[in-house]
Amino acid sequence: QVQLVESGGGVVQPGKSLRLSCATSGFTFNSHGMHWVRQGPGRGLEWVAVISYDGTNKDYADSVRGRFTISRDNSNNTLYLQMNSLSPADTGLYYCAKDSPLARDWGQGTLVTVSS
Amino acid sequence: DIVVTQSPDSLAVSLGERASINCKSSQTLLYRSNNKNYLAWFQQKAGQPPKLLIYWASFREFGVPDRFSASGSGTDFTLTISSLQAEDVAVYYCQQYFRTPYTFGQGTKLEIK
Repeated sequence: QVQLVESGGGVVQPGKSLRLSCATSGFTFNSHGMHWVRQGPGRGLEWVAVISYDGTNKDYADSVRGRFTISRDNSNNTLYLQMNSLSPADTGLYYCAKDSPLARDWGQGTLVTVSS
Repeated sequence: DIVVTQSPDSLAVSLGERASINCKSSQTLLYRSNNKNYLAWFQQKAGQPPKLLIYWASFREFGVPDRFSASGSGTDFTLTISSLQAEDVAVYYCQQYFRTPYTFGQGTKLEIK
Protein backbone atom coordinates (compact mmCIF):
# COMPACT_ATOMS: atom_id res chain seq x y z
CA GLN A 1 0.00 0.00 0.00
CA VAL A 2 0.98 3.65 -0.31
CA GLN A 3 3.52 4.72 2.29
CA LEU A 4 4.83 8.24 2.81
CA VAL A 5 7.41 8.74 5.56
CA GLU A 6 8.62 12.23 6.35
CA SER A 7 11.89 12.95 8.12
CA GLY A 8 14.37 15.74 8.70
CA GLY A 9 12.40 17.84 11.15
CA GLY A 10 13.90 19.21 14.33
CA VAL A 11 14.66 22.34 16.31
CA VAL A 12 16.43 25.08 14.39
CA GLN A 13 17.30 28.70 15.11
CA PRO A 14 15.68 31.55 13.21
CA GLY A 15 17.48 32.29 9.97
CA LYS A 16 18.84 28.79 9.63
CA SER A 17 18.02 26.08 7.10
CA LEU A 18 16.54 22.60 7.18
CA ARG A 19 15.84 19.97 4.54
CA LEU A 20 12.86 17.67 4.85
CA SER A 21 12.55 14.33 3.08
CA CYS A 22 9.57 12.18 2.23
CA ALA A 23 10.42 8.57 1.43
CA THR A 24 7.72 6.85 -0.58
CA SER A 25 6.77 3.31 -1.49
CA GLY A 26 3.81 1.31 -2.71
CA PHE A 27 3.16 3.29 -5.88
CA THR A 28 4.90 4.49 -9.03
CA PHE A 29 6.46 7.64 -7.64
CA ASN A 30 7.51 9.12 -10.98
CA SER A 31 3.90 9.17 -12.18
CA HIS A 32 2.47 11.35 -9.42
CA GLY A 33 2.62 14.97 -8.41
CA MET A 34 3.39 15.62 -4.76
CA HIS A 35 2.68 18.30 -2.15
CA TRP A 36 3.99 19.65 1.11
CA VAL A 37 1.35 20.87 3.56
CA ARG A 38 2.02 22.20 7.03
CA GLN A 39 0.06 22.68 10.23
CA GLY A 40 1.09 25.13 12.92
CA PRO A 41 0.59 24.18 16.59
CA GLY A 42 -3.14 24.06 17.25
CA ARG A 43 -3.82 25.56 13.86
CA GLY A 44 -5.34 24.59 10.54
CA LEU A 45 -3.79 23.22 7.39
CA GLU A 46 -1.69 25.39 5.10
CA TRP A 47 -0.68 24.25 1.64
CA VAL A 48 3.04 24.92 1.08
CA ALA A 49 4.19 23.64 -2.29
CA VAL A 50 3.50 21.27 -5.17
CA ILE A 51 5.71 19.58 -7.74
CA SER A 52 4.75 17.78 -10.93
CA TYR A 53 5.48 14.11 -11.52
CA ASP A 54 8.68 14.88 -13.43
CA GLY A 55 9.82 17.86 -11.35
CA THR A 56 9.47 20.37 -14.16
CA ASN A 57 6.59 22.33 -12.66
CA LYS A 58 6.58 23.71 -9.13
CA ASP A 59 4.52 26.24 -7.24
CA TYR A 60 4.59 27.70 -3.76
CA ALA A 61 2.51 29.52 -1.20
CA ASP A 62 3.41 33.20 -1.06
CA SER A 63 4.47 32.74 2.58
CA VAL A 64 7.37 30.48 1.53
CA ARG A 65 8.14 31.55 -2.03
CA GLY A 66 11.80 32.47 -2.41
CA ARG A 67 12.76 30.68 0.83
CA PHE A 68 11.58 27.10 0.29
CA THR A 69 12.38 24.79 -2.63
CA ILE A 70 10.48 21.62 -3.43
CA SER A 71 12.30 18.93 -5.38
CA ARG A 72 12.21 15.21 -6.04
CA ASP A 73 14.51 12.32 -6.84
CA ASN A 74 12.55 9.90 -8.98
CA SER A 75 15.37 7.38 -8.94
CA ASN A 76 15.08 7.13 -5.15
CA ASN A 77 11.31 7.71 -4.82
CA THR A 78 11.90 10.64 -2.49
CA LEU A 79 10.42 14.11 -2.19
CA TYR A 80 12.29 17.01 -0.58
CA LEU A 81 11.63 20.42 0.88
CA GLN A 82 14.62 22.70 1.32
CA MET A 83 13.73 25.40 3.82
CA ASN A 84 15.95 28.48 4.16
CA SER A 85 15.72 31.66 6.25
CA LEU A 86 13.39 29.96 8.69
CA SER A 87 11.31 32.02 11.10
CA PRO A 88 9.15 31.06 14.10
CA ALA A 89 6.11 31.35 11.81
CA ASP A 90 7.40 28.27 9.97
CA THR A 91 7.03 26.12 13.08
CA GLY A 92 4.68 23.21 12.57
CA LEU A 93 4.07 19.68 11.43
CA TYR A 94 5.02 19.21 7.79
CA TYR A 95 3.16 16.60 5.77
CA CYS A 96 3.94 15.27 2.33
CA ALA A 97 0.95 14.21 0.26
CA LYS A 98 0.57 12.20 -2.92
CA ASP A 99 -1.20 13.21 -6.14
CA SER A 100 -1.87 16.55 -7.69
CA PRO A 101 -3.86 18.62 -7.65
CA LEU A 102 -5.87 16.49 -5.20
CA ALA A 103 -3.80 15.39 -2.18
CA ARG A 104 -5.09 11.86 -1.81
CA ASP A 105 -2.66 10.17 0.58
CA TRP A 106 -0.72 11.76 3.43
CA GLY A 107 2.24 10.87 5.57
CA GLN A 108 2.35 11.17 9.35
CA GLY A 109 4.36 14.39 9.24
CA THR A 110 7.67 15.65 10.62
CA LEU A 111 7.83 18.39 13.24
CA VAL A 112 9.81 21.57 12.60
CA THR A 113 10.39 23.97 15.47
CA VAL A 114 12.04 27.31 14.80
CA SER A 115 13.18 28.85 18.04
CA SER A 116 16.20 30.59 19.50
CA ASP B 1 -5.92 33.78 -4.03
CA ILE B 2 -9.12 31.80 -3.59
CA VAL B 3 -10.44 32.20 -0.05
CA VAL B 4 -12.30 29.24 1.40
CA THR B 5 -14.49 29.84 4.45
CA GLN B 6 -16.16 27.15 6.54
CA SER B 7 -19.12 27.44 8.87
CA PRO B 8 -19.57 26.87 11.67
CA ASP B 9 -16.17 26.88 13.37
CA SER B 10 -17.42 24.25 15.80
CA LEU B 11 -20.41 22.00 16.03
CA ALA B 12 -21.85 19.70 18.71
CA VAL B 13 -24.29 17.04 17.59
CA SER B 14 -25.94 14.16 19.42
CA LEU B 15 -25.06 10.59 18.48
CA GLY B 16 -27.25 9.38 15.64
CA GLU B 17 -28.19 12.90 14.58
CA ARG B 18 -27.27 14.73 11.39
CA ALA B 19 -24.28 17.05 11.16
CA SER B 20 -23.74 19.53 8.35
CA ILE B 21 -20.72 21.69 7.58
CA ASN B 22 -20.67 24.43 4.99
CA CYS B 23 -17.83 25.63 2.80
CA LYS B 24 -17.91 28.79 0.70
CA SER B 25 -15.35 29.76 -1.90
CA SER B 26 -14.56 33.31 -3.00
CA GLN B 27 -14.45 32.13 -6.64
CA THR B 28 -16.15 29.38 -8.54
CA LEU B 29 -14.52 25.98 -8.26
CA LEU B 30 -16.46 24.63 -11.23
CA TYR B 31 -14.29 24.03 -14.27
CA ARG B 32 -16.77 24.21 -17.12
CA SER B 33 -14.74 22.21 -19.63
CA ASN B 34 -15.13 19.03 -17.54
CA ASN B 35 -18.08 20.10 -15.32
CA LYS B 36 -16.12 19.22 -12.18
CA ASN B 37 -15.93 21.13 -8.91
CA TYR B 38 -12.37 21.16 -7.57
CA LEU B 39 -13.35 20.83 -3.92
CA ALA B 40 -12.31 18.18 -1.40
CA TRP B 41 -13.24 17.38 2.19
CA PHE B 42 -10.78 16.00 4.72
CA GLN B 43 -11.24 14.57 8.19
CA GLN B 44 -8.48 14.98 10.77
CA LYS B 45 -8.71 13.10 14.02
CA ALA B 46 -6.57 14.09 16.98
CA GLY B 47 -2.92 13.17 16.47
CA GLN B 48 -3.48 11.90 12.93
CA PRO B 49 -2.85 13.26 9.44
CA PRO B 50 -5.79 14.44 7.36
CA LYS B 51 -7.78 11.75 5.59
CA LEU B 52 -9.48 12.36 2.26
CA LEU B 53 -13.25 11.83 2.51
CA ILE B 54 -14.72 13.51 -0.57
CA TYR B 55 -13.31 14.75 -3.90
CA TRP B 56 -14.85 16.50 -6.90
CA ALA B 57 -17.23 17.99 -4.31
CA SER B 58 -19.42 14.90 -4.02
CA PHE B 59 -17.47 11.70 -4.74
CA ARG B 60 -16.82 9.57 -1.69
CA GLU B 61 -13.29 8.17 -1.41
CA PHE B 62 -13.01 4.37 -1.37
CA GLY B 63 -13.66 3.00 2.11
CA VAL B 64 -15.44 6.08 3.47
CA PRO B 65 -18.73 5.14 5.15
CA ASP B 66 -21.85 6.10 3.23
CA ARG B 67 -23.14 8.18 6.13
CA PHE B 68 -20.74 10.81 4.74
CA SER B 69 -22.11 12.70 1.76
CA ALA B 70 -21.38 16.03 0.15
CA SER B 71 -23.01 18.35 -2.31
CA GLY B 72 -22.71 21.75 -3.90
CA SER B 73 -21.36 23.46 -6.96
CA GLY B 74 -19.68 26.68 -7.93
CA THR B 75 -19.00 28.47 -4.68
CA ASP B 76 -21.18 26.77 -2.07
CA PHE B 77 -20.65 23.27 -0.72
CA THR B 78 -21.87 21.11 2.15
CA LEU B 79 -20.58 18.02 3.93
CA THR B 80 -23.23 15.99 5.73
CA ILE B 81 -22.90 13.15 8.19
CA SER B 82 -26.31 11.51 8.23
CA SER B 83 -26.06 9.73 11.58
CA LEU B 84 -23.19 10.84 13.78
CA GLN B 85 -21.02 8.12 15.27
CA ALA B 86 -18.54 8.51 18.11
CA GLU B 87 -15.63 7.87 15.73
CA ASP B 88 -16.63 10.90 13.64
CA VAL B 89 -15.31 13.32 16.26
CA ALA B 90 -12.67 15.24 14.35
CA VAL B 91 -11.83 18.50 12.63
CA TYR B 92 -13.14 18.70 9.09
CA TYR B 93 -11.52 20.78 6.37
CA CYS B 94 -12.58 21.68 2.88
CA GLN B 95 -9.90 22.49 0.32
CA GLN B 96 -10.04 23.94 -3.16
CA TYR B 97 -7.67 22.43 -5.70
CA PHE B 98 -8.88 24.54 -8.60
CA ARG B 99 -5.89 26.86 -8.60
CA THR B 100 -2.71 27.34 -6.61
CA PRO B 101 -2.35 28.19 -3.82
CA TYR B 102 -4.56 25.24 -2.92
CA THR B 103 -6.28 26.86 0.03
CA PHE B 104 -8.00 25.15 2.94
CA GLY B 105 -10.91 26.32 4.99
CA GLN B 106 -10.15 27.12 8.61
CA GLY B 107 -11.61 23.86 9.83
CA THR B 108 -14.76 22.84 11.70
CA LYS B 109 -14.43 21.02 15.00
CA LEU B 110 -17.14 18.39 15.37
CA GLU B 111 -17.96 17.11 18.85
CA ILE B 112 -20.58 14.94 20.50
CA LYS B 113 -23.34 16.77 22.36
